[in-house]
Amino acid sequence: GEDVEQSLFLSVREGDSSVINCTYTDSSSTYLYWYKQEPGAGLQLLTYIFSNMDMKQDQRLTVLLNKKDKHLSLRIADTQTGDSAIYFCAESNGVTGGGNKLTFGTGTQLKVEL
Amino acid sequence: EAQVTQNPRYLITVTGKKLTVTCSQNMNHEYMSWYRQDPGLGLRQIYYSMNVEVTDKGDVPEGYKVSRKEKRNFPLILESPSPNQTSLYFCASSFSRDTSYNEQFFGPGTRLTVL
Repeated sequence: GEDVEQSLFLSVREGDSSVINCTYTDSSSTYLYWYKQEPGAGLQLLTYIFSNMDMKQDQRLTVLLNKKDKHLSLRIADTQTGDSAIYFCAESNGVTGGGNKLTFGTGTQLKVEL
Repeated sequence: EAQVTQNPRYLITVTGKKLTVTCSQNMNHEYMSWYRQDPGLGLRQIYYSMNVEVTDKGDVPEGYKVSRKEKRNFPLILESPSPNQTSLYFCASSFSRDTSYNEQFFGPGTRLTVL
């Protein structure tokens, strides 16, 4: 089945850039997503990228997709303390589980230090 | 306000005592899904529903039931909860269009502890 992997922790200083990485195995992934989970809250969609794109930028967020290596990354520029959260990578292939099923990574806990 | 609501938000119960976690969405979404979140495992799908009266198993369905009698509601039922079902549960919903991106909206989560 599909598998999505992420490192568990990342610590950065405020103002630096953060890069969170993700690898996936499903070669038929259609969309890849980044979700943010703040403490005690649900998941909030940050951004997504269609599989025929290799980059997407949205304000401080840059998503890079290397489809050949099945590698996805999220770069947060000028990281702020409010960016401290768990970040989940997820993918869907438009077929599995009724087409809308998301397969999630383990999540990366981002800690921003002053 | 477009949203997915879950109740209760927190629940502590004992082994074997049947419980239901409700999920409701006001966006007229066809697709609804339940996930559980466990440390180091991310979110795993329990059950999903493509539309009213259409439900199917996800990756970890054992010990759970669902129903979809109305479009807006998708309750998760634990007939005989066990301690290994202690987890954080999320309900999600989205449209179900074949050819376009369907953003999933998540509820706030239900933290369940089974003693």
